[in-house]
Amino acid sequence: LAKTTQPISMDSYEGQEVNITCSHNNIATNDYITWYQQFPSQGPRFIIQGYKTKVTNEVASLFIPADRKSSTLSLPRVSLSDTAVYYCLVVNDYKLSFGAGTTVTVRA
Amino acid sequence: DSGVTQTPKHLITATGQRVTLRCSPRSGDLSVYWYQQSLDQGLQFLIHYYNGEERAKGNILERFSAQQFPDLHSELNLSSLELGDSALYFCASRRQGSYGYTFGSGTRLTVV
Repeated sequence: LAKTTQPISMDSYEGQEVNITCSHNNIATNDYITWYQQFPSQGPRFIIQGYKTKVTNEVASLFIPADRKSSTLSLPRVSLSDTAVYYCLVVNDYKLSFGAGTTVTVRA
Repeated sequence: DSGVTQTPKHLITATGQRVTLRCSPRSGDLSVYWYQQSLDQGLQFLIHYYNGEERAKGNILERFSAQQFPDLHSELNLSSLELGDSALYFCASRRQGSYGYTFGSGTRLTVV
């Protein structure tokens, strides 16, 4: 599986947009990009998946450039409850490996 | 409720003992994945089963074993427990055709 690199932490304020960029230089043709959110002592929660270009759902947007070597998760208008660890994962059919994730702290 | 059920939620046991963690995937999901999360190691992939068959192994110790039964529930057996095995153990399931994995709420294992 492709190794992913993302910032260890990010700070933001309520109402701002948060963008977390993940690099995955060795992504394979059949790999998908997914993002998860995890609160302390809870299981990770699936946010969004994409293969290329842009994907948007009710929670977030995912931007993937044509070379697919990176991706950016965009969280619009964050609130205090969005404080969590966010993981970028490159997945295929058989297993997924989590990196260290990005701790996003939203302040009032 | 994610639809993935894990029992028990908490488990406290002594070193050298053996425990069994249970996971029921979401209805209709054939895959089960097990993960270990400790404070200093993050989320570590242990093993993946699909429709009763083992499909992939990660960093699973020889003291640990797992299986998936015909009704698709899975059990993770941890034996000869050590203090370092204290962690949160999560299972996840996935619907065929989707790359969104659904995680259970985990079992917190404390080895004393």
